[in-house]
Amino acid sequence: QKEVEQNSGPLSVPEGAIASLNCTYSDRVSQSFFWYRQYSGKSPELIMSIYSNGDKEDGRFTAQLNKASQYVSLLIRDSQPSDSATYLCAVKGSGYSTLTFGKGTMLLVSP
Amino acid sequence: EPEVTQTPSHQVTQMGQEVILRCVPISNHLYFYWYRQILGQKVEFLVSFYNNEISEKSEIFDDQFSVERPDGSNFTLKIRSTKLEDSAMYFCASSERGYGGVGQPQHFGDGTRLSIL
Repeated sequence: QKEVEQNSGPLSVPEGAIASLNCTYSDRVSQSFFWYRQYSGKSPELIMSIYSNGDKEDGRFTAQLNKASQYVSLLIRDSQPSDSATYLCAVKGSGYSTLTFGKGTMLLVSP
Repeated sequence: EPEVTQTPSHQVTQMGQEVILRCVPISNHLYFYWYRQILGQKVEFLVSFYNNEISEKSEIFDDQFSVERPDGSNFTLKIRSTKLEDSAMYFCASSERGYGGVGQPQHFGDGTRLSIL
């Protein structure tokens, strides 16, 4: 059973701060990792994808992957109130086309 | 930017009835998926579809469910004899590729909220 674990939160940060969201996964052969943002009542929106160990930056977002520790994280710099949402970690295993999602971490950015 | 479109946005159905949820994937995408999200719970995989056949399905996707690509653009999910516990948000997604070591991102539609009474 492939599992993806996230702290449900809420994670509360003030505007302008760095938000750090974490995710662990159980399937050691997983090769593709995605972060989605989901506003309440809306669909998941792709934020970042990462496939190799290390950091990947895109604007205010940085994804970090450590396959040895089976750990993936998302940093959001200069957090804005509009970043307030639930962030979903999704993992794709090798040989599978499907995504396994975590329950998500709710982020609250206060003005 | 191309997007996945789903209809209807909200479907209310009596228990025991059949429903068909419709999706138009992104035009150059080859892999199609259905996921569901029960209120307050995580997004769960139902089925993936490639080359006009099911490529993977979860244990949720039992004989009550079926998928079809009736023409070159639509992708449908049929739920026969709906149950109260089928009430959820159903998301269609598509990707350029599916298998292989490095997966292409899946892009989600806005979803259909299915309410079973």
